[in-house]
Amino acid sequence: DIQMTQSPSSLSASVGDRVTITCRASQSISSYLNWYQQKPGKAPKLLIYAASSLQSGVPSRFSGSGSGTDFTLTISSLQPEDFATYYCQQSYSPFTFGPGTKVDIK
Amino acid sequence: QVQLVESGGGLVKPGGSLRLSCAASGFTFSDYYMSWIRQAPGKGLEWVSYISSSGSTIYYADSVKGRFTISRDNAKNSLYLQMNSLRAEDTAVYYCARDLYADYCSGGSCYSRFDPWGQGTLVTVSS
Repeated sequence: DIQMTQSPSSLSASVGDRVTITCRASQSISSYLNWYQQKPGKAPKLLIYAASSLQSGVPSRFSGSGSGTDFTLTISSLQPEDFATYYCQQSYSPFTFGPGTKVDIK
Repeated sequence: QVQLVESGGGLVKPGGSLRLSCAASGFTFSDYYMSWIRQAPGKGLEWVSYISSSGSTIYYADSVKGRFTISRDNAKNSLYLQMNSLRAEDTAVYYCARDLYADYCSGGSCYSRFDPWGQGTLVTVSS
């Protein structure tokens, strides 16, 4: 089975900060990597698919990069509504989520 | 608009059974693969099961294989999860999600992604 790890597990940041979250797969997954945002009590929301494609309706401050085993989610300028938990997910074989990264207010 | 609504959650004793349903609307349900994903209280997301658009291909996570059965009724725009031999560790919010597998293909490969998700239904396994 493909294992996913994320770092950091949590971070504190201020509005306007640039935030980077890293996701690593236990084996190469090409670009079969998605990113989701989840707020407390709500269902996850798709942000990025195929490692770097922005889902329709998602603000352009979100971006994704990487391929193979190492991936990154970047928020270019953190907004108040971005405080949430972020999960990566591989869809190479079949599906595994990372443990999540909680972004809270500094 | 595209909507998924889960139902059927509740409190069940260890060893018991429960059937979850997911009602889809706003899109052609029979065109899409579907999945169930769960989230234990305070924990991360765990993919549970997947079914192709026709129902001919099904996958399960090892943690539920042999105990859970996914199915769909395309005529009723509905997805189901039959859960048997439930354990305390099955306690979670269960989400259904549409898989946009065929909506983006590049270089001969298509990319699965879950969107949207339902609001979730809570399953509690406790004596």
